[in-house]
Amino acid sequence: EVQLVESGGGLIQPGGSLRLSCAASGFTVNGNYMSWVRQAPGKGLEWVSIIYSGGSTYYADSVKGRFTISRDNSENTLYLQMNNLRVEDTAIYYCASGLGNSLSWGQGTLVTVSS
Amino acid sequence: DIQMTQSPSTLSASVGDRVTITCRASQSISNWLAWYQQKPGKAPKLLIFKASSLESGVSSRFSGSGSGTEFTLTISSLQPDDFATYYCQQYNTYSWSFGQGTKVDIK
Repeated sequence: EVQLVESGGGLIQPGGSLRLSCAASGFTVNGNYMSWVRQAPGKGLEWVSIIYSGGSTYYADSVKGRFTISRDNSENTLYLQMNNLRVEDTAIYYCASGLGNSLSWGQGTLVTVSS
Repeated sequence: DIQMTQSPSTLSASVGDRVTITCRASQSISNWLAWYQQKPGKAPKLLIFKASSLESGVSSRFSGSGSGTEFTLTISSLQPDDFATYYCQQYNTYSWSFGQGTKVDIK
């Protein structure tokens, strides 16, 4: 069964750093493209970053230069390193994976940036 | 970047109604379109992928159609569990984008 489980969220002050994890099971993270999507409180869905099986990475303009997506094939885990966090980064962060033509999502982890 | 425009933003309907939500892409995305249902406090639930393929376990009252730039999600007979917010998503390019959402509420 395909499963994605995010962790690492929490309360952090502006300017701080946080690393999110997304543990995958039922498939390999390096065999599929994987992405991070976020949802600010009461708002819609916003794409954050993606990593392809070949290793290419892309970022939304709003996080470029501050966030880094990566994966650990041995741990079968996706990461999102978030630096220089801003109040507007407050959101639930979801990881998602392309599986064939379909998509699978995790349940999300909440990141709150506040002083 | 590809812009996704959903309509309507809000839809009031009754149990048993046939409901249609439209999603328009600013440029062709072939059929790389997904539809999600989201309830408060929950993660988005995939309903339809590749524009018209029903996700495993999802009720057959949900259907999707379209290609290129125009897409629709249809609920054939609205059930009480279907009152939620629905999003479309294009995954044709590396920069995914989402519609702004359609809230389906009780008339």
